Amino acid sequence: GESVGLHLPTLSVQEGDNSIINCAYSNSASDYFIWYKQESGKGPQFIIDIRSNMDKRQGQRVTVLLNKTVKHLSLQIAATQPGDSAVYFCAEGGSNDYKLSFGAGTTVTVRA
Amino acid sequence: GAGVSQSPSNKVTEKGKDVELRCDPISGHTALYWYRQSLGQGLEFLIYFQGNSAPDKSGLPSDRFSAERTGGSVSTLTIQRTQQEDSAVYLCASSLGALLVEETQYFGPGTRLLVL
Repeated sequence: GESVGLHLPTLSVQEGDNSIINCAYSNSASDYFIWYKQESGKGPQFIIDIRSNMDKRQGQRVTVLLNKTVKHLSLQIAATQPGDSAVYFCAEGGSNDYKLSFGAGTTVTVRA
Repeated sequence: GAGVSQSPSNKVTEKGKDVELRCDPISGHTALYWYRQSLGQGLEFLIYFQGNSAPDKSGLPSDRFSAERTGGSVSTLTIQRTQQEDSAVYLCASSLGALLVEETQYFGPGTRLLVL
């Protein structure tokens, strides 16, 4: 399943399929990007980050892709599991700054 | 401590009343943030504390909002004369240092504020 930017804030995906969550960031000066996961009733939890000198970074079952030309960030989740159901936020900032700007979030629902 | 804690977890108040929200950051973390999350929205930066430096209050939406951090640890966010539009989840985060690229922000579970 795939979401498109901020215009499709929900994503329903079959368990076991790959998920792609998209984010269009706003500030061309941002050089540091983070994906957070927020489960119901909890605070956001760090998933993975990427600096602007990279275009891809992989973690455990997650991959973040950065396209600076079109100011686009995506999070790919491999073999989506029920525990992946949550709201996913992208955030941008300056690597030498302390402030983050958050997107509106995408709600991911995993179907059994 | 095990993580960032916030209290109360839920708060219901009447319009016009004052409320205080508390944040206990992770021990040793010098940076502390407050964010507001309205229903279905992303996180809105409110205020930032770093050590003994003057806080960055640029995100506070009005002069009804204030925050302090005593002894470089516990922080309190105060909303005076609450309005219905103040209803939101208020999240606190702390990090070991200041630079985003070096220090992950760890979030508390939030305080859910409902103003009737």
